[in-house]
Amino acid sequence: RKEVEQDPGPFNVPEGATVAFNCTYSNSASQSFFWYRQDCRKEPKLLMSVYSSGNEDGRFTAQLNRASQYISLLIRDSKLSDSATYLCVVNAAGWFGNEKLTFGTGTRLTIIP
Amino acid sequence: DAGVTQSPTHLIKTRGQQVTLRCSPKSGHDTVSWYQQALGQGPQFIFQYYEEEERQRGNFPDRFSGHQFPNYSSELNVNALLLGDSALYLCASSPYGQGNQPQHFGDGTRLSIL
Repeated sequence: RKEVEQDPGPFNVPEGATVAFNCTYSNSASQSFFWYRQDCRKEPKLLMSVYSSGNEDGRFTAQLNRASQYISLLIRDSKLSDSATYLCVVNAAGWFGNEKLTFGTGTRLTIIP
Repeated sequence: DAGVTQSPTHLIKTRGQQVTLRCSPKSGHDTVSWYQQALGQGPQFIFQYYEEEERQRGNFPDRFSGHQFPNYSSELNVNALLLGDSALYLCASSPYGQGNQPQHFGDGTRLSIL
């Protein structure tokens, strides 16, 4: 089983729609979680951290379920500029430990005009 | 405030050669991690450097080695290049001991092996 699993997609979604991505992780000791966005042939960029209580940043909402080892990302009112690959990222180190980020393979999203 | 910078941007090598990639971390960051991203895959952790020592290592052979300098910049060396080493090599930096803080990535070096 992969340490971090995502549906690779592609997701082709009309502009203005709501889209949700899911991710599962295998290491129950994982302490911090992130969603990164990666545009074609570019470096990954942090979209948002994922907190235990869930968090929202504008049109983006992230949820964490530690019991099920499950992370989600919801994008509302999708824009053409949201087209990218979304990477689920897990840090298995403790809060004061070294960081070893484990990435999912990414979910490719295309917003259709 | 300079972010993470990597050089070169692109590199073409042949099988059996050796390559050195360079990274300067974001200002205020002292930890550098290297990742390999093959086409269509997520980045894979190679190793991490802090205080000029390799602190963690992923599942990569000894052909992959690195170094960190006193100014926190880092190098990734790959010996005896194989066709399968063709990938985007990403450097990321972060402040040590803050596992809840995200890593910041450079633009990457795209390595092609012929």
